[in-house]
Amino acid sequence: QSALTQPRSVSGSPGQSVTISCTGTSSDVGGYNYVSWYQQHPGKAPKLMIYDVSKRPSGVPDRFSGSKSGNTASLTISGLQAEDEADYYCCSYAGSYPWVVFGGGTKLTVL
Amino acid sequence: QVQLQESGPGLVKPSQTLSLTCTVSGGSISSGGYYWSWIRQHPGKGLEWIGYIYYSGSTYYNPSLKSRVTISVDTSKNQFSLKLSSVTAADTAVYYCARTPEIYFDYWGQGTLVTVSS
Repeated sequence: QSALTQPRSVSGSPGQSVTISCTGTSSDVGGYNYVSWYQQHPGKAPKLMIYDVSKRPSGVPDRFSGSKSGNTASLTISGLQAEDEADYYCCSYAGSYPWVVFGGGTKLTVL
Repeated sequence: QVQLQESGPGLVKPSQTLSLTCTVSGGSISSGGYYWSWIRQHPGKGLEWIGYIYYSGSTYYNPSLKSRVTISVDTSKNQFSLKLSSVTAADTAVYYCARTPEIYFDYWGQGTLVTVSS
């Protein structure tokens, strides 16, 4: 069982927006602004999409945005494109044991 | 552009020690400012953080693996390494190395599949 809870799957049509949630506790997500999100296509390494809750690395489209409210972080993808179909993982600092925790992953299907 | 590349045996026997090395190019581990991490992914499953190391040698490990894990760094070769002892089939996974600026992972290796089997 993963430390952070994500929906197993979400879906949306091209052009629509989807939001993926990531629920933790006050000891991880809620306690620190160190939430990151990763996109992983089949057979590939994860790619950083969002860090420090809402910051985008250079080269990541502004269609990807992150936010946090309480113990739940969210990744929103607007203007869905076919290439956005992938698995998405959230990650948070946990302050102490176990230091870094991941969510179980969410499979995004673009209909 | 920073690049990371994992290397090591793809097959390890049960009870033996898994050893992997990550070679960093395009940047120097000894320049500081980053931790260097190992992360694994069991087949068809999610990501699991194993631990990370600073160039000075300071380490942090996932408590669930701490008794079996050693991460070390060789700044002269611009490499860092993972050793996982007493492996079982449950350690079969794709192992990734990654650069860690704070508590996120910005550059990843391509990953290497390690199978534990006799």
